[in-house]
Amino acid sequence: GIQVEQSPPDLILQEGANSTLRCNFSDSVNNLQWFHQNPWGQLINLFYIPSGTKQNGRLSATTVATERYSLLYISSSQTTDSGVYFCAVPYLMRFGAGTRLTVKP
Amino acid sequence: GAVVSQHPSRVICKSGTSVKIECRSLDFQATTMFWYRQFPKQSLMLMATSNEGSKATYEQGVEKDKFLINHASLTLSTLTVTSAHPEDSSFYICSANRGASENTEAFFGQGTRLTVV
Repeated sequence: GIQVEQSPPDLILQEGANSTLRCNFSDSVNNLQWFHQNPWGQLINLFYIPSGTKQNGRLSATTVATERYSLLYISSSQTTDSGVYFCAVPYLMRFGAGTRLTVKP
Repeated sequence: GAVVSQHPSRVICKSGTSVKIECRSLDFQATTMFWYRQFPKQSLMLMATSNEGSKATYEQGVEKDKFLINHASLTLSTLTVTSAHPEDSSFYICSANRGASENTEAFFGQGTRLTVV
């Protein structure tokens, strides 16, 4: 089955910094989602992004399906951005291991 | 976005008792829902696929008799942890997918933190 790998596994930022999270998948996928799991465990949908680029406020995502990767950009990070970010192939129920982000004030 | 509601958010139960967790899709119909378990600092582990009107499909290694799944309607799936033991303590999350096949989009419940004492 498709393998989903995320990097880096852990990331510590100072408030205001920018960051890029990466998701690689081992085979072609028809869609991809990014989620943020907050400290209370809730998984929040960030992007549904089979290809191309989408932006939502300080967050944006780009999926290059032909090269089997997706990137999540966080600009001007805030402490509330802390948590774990997962990418997933929803129709296969395949999740990456996540990137644990800590934003320090 | 779509809303999936999971209840309860926290439950503490005694060893040997059973606990039921509900997952509802509030604004769309879901013929399929999914149940996950998450251990501390780990990713989500798919336990089973809940199918409306038919038996659930369990992942390898997941005990069917321990984790009973019922999907009685297009908006409700339940997970019952039977004869719970401390090792069943975990964070359980459900999801419902909107849309069909490869165009589906997943939405998650709030999760249930189960503690068995």
